[in-house]
Amino acid sequence: EAQVTQNPRYLITVTGKKLTVTCSQNMNHEYMSWYRQDPGLGLRQIYYSMNVEVTDKGDVPEGYKVSRKEKRNFPLILESPSPNQTSLYFCATRPHSNYGYTFGSGTRLTVV
Amino acid sequence: EDKVVQSPLSLVVHEGDTVTLNCSYEVTNFRSLLWYKQEKKAPTFLFMLTSSGIEKKSGRLSSILDKKELFSILNITATQTGDSAIYLCALRRDSGYALNFGKGTSLLVTP
Repeated sequence: EAQVTQNPRYLITVTGKKLTVTCSQNMNHEYMSWYRQDPGLGLRQIYYSMNVEVTDKGDVPEGYKVSRKEKRNFPLILESPSPNQTSLYFCATRPHSNYGYTFGSGTRLTVV
Repeated sequence: EDKVVQSPLSLVVHEGDTVTLNCSYEVTNFRSLLWYKQEKKAPTFLFMLTSSGIEKKSGRLSSILDKKELFSILNITATQTGDSAIYLCALRRDSGYALNFGKGTSLLVTP
């Protein structure tokens, strides 16, 4: 079954404690990206990757890092989380051809 | 600066009603406009529109894009309680693959 898997689904952590949210896809898609969704602000892109070892900043990259060492995985790293990074995070993928994006189930992150 | 504006923000209708959701945008050069439905968690893909005036249809849902007037509409006929969700409109930019999302329309269908 084609899917985008995010882990964890929920995470509560403390300010400054490094964390990683994983995203894995089994569709061999080249493009992967991370979005955060906040009330009143909608979905905003954090980082994206066009292929292995190719990553670039989205609209709100501050405080985040990513890596793309293999095609299927695109982890989102928060080196020193802060409360303003409390949000709902989505990983999204798509192939190069002109199809819609597939979203993961989301990760609800709370930083206290 | 909002480049994708959805209206209304929120809507409550009775089962069986027909609803029209609007998405207007300012960007003139883009690859496609996409509609998503978001229930509890992940947005699920509904339509992708690239050409003006061509209606996409799936069951009770349909959508059309007007590139001249810079808007798209999503129609839902004979609404059901299962249509209750947030409907998101997004533009895929001309360069790269990023999506610019609107803030969504929250639809509640009451029995």
